[in-house]
Amino acid sequence: QSALTQPASVSGSPGQSITISCTGTSSDVGAYNYASWYQQHPGKAPKFLIYEVNNRPSGIPDRFSGSKSGNTASLTISGLQAEDEADYYCSSYTISSTYVFGTGTKVTVL
Amino acid sequence: QVQLVESGGGVVLPGRSLRLSCAASGFTFSSYGMHWVRQAPGKGLEWVAVIWNDGTNKYYADSVKGRFTMSRDNSKNTLYLQMNSLRAEDTAVYYCARASYTYAVDYWGQGTLVTVSS
Repeated sequence: QSALTQPASVSGSPGQSITISCTGTSSDVGAYNYASWYQQHPGKAPKFLIYEVNNRPSGIPDRFSGSKSGNTASLTISGLQAEDEADYYCSSYTISSTYVFGTGTKVTVL
Repeated sequence: QVQLVESGGGVVLPGRSLRLSCAASGFTFSSYGMHWVRQAPGKGLEWVAVIWNDGTNKYYADSVKGRFTMSRDNSKNTLYLQMNSLRAEDTAVYYCARASYTYAVDYWGQGTLVTVSS
């Protein structure tokens, strides 16, 4: 049950697009289309952003989008805004019926 | 609206036990699986355990298997986490969270802090 691998930090200027990768294995990310993404501001609970690789829950702006290739899922934030500065975590269901989170990525808006 | 309120956190000695509770409201509790997820101070999220809506199946992270037990009382809309043989590395904010029907976590509580220290 090793954590999924994410870059420690990603930055971009307002209006730009950034992409965060999430690399797992054929036992988790690569096994199913059940990758999800969460946003967490300091001192707050995580917020649900993306499910089943590329679907947004109601209320999540379409600036947030997801994709997957092989064992790697990705989150893209388009039109970066100041309020997007936060920590982002991926997660995946696994072949053992357990779940695993990513190591987390700090997004900085320059 | 969905509300999840954790309680039971505190300071505990290594090797001792603690039970966390999570009171759920705003949805049909018995229709949803539930998770516990923890976050050590300054660290990332770590999945702890999941229980199916009827309590028949439970799955645990290797780091807590054999020490933690998750349960639920659907008549009381309450989720529990019994934590035994606590270690310093179990120190974290523990979040109660609802399992979506899409293998994700759609609602989170505000968390309760557990500190294991002598």
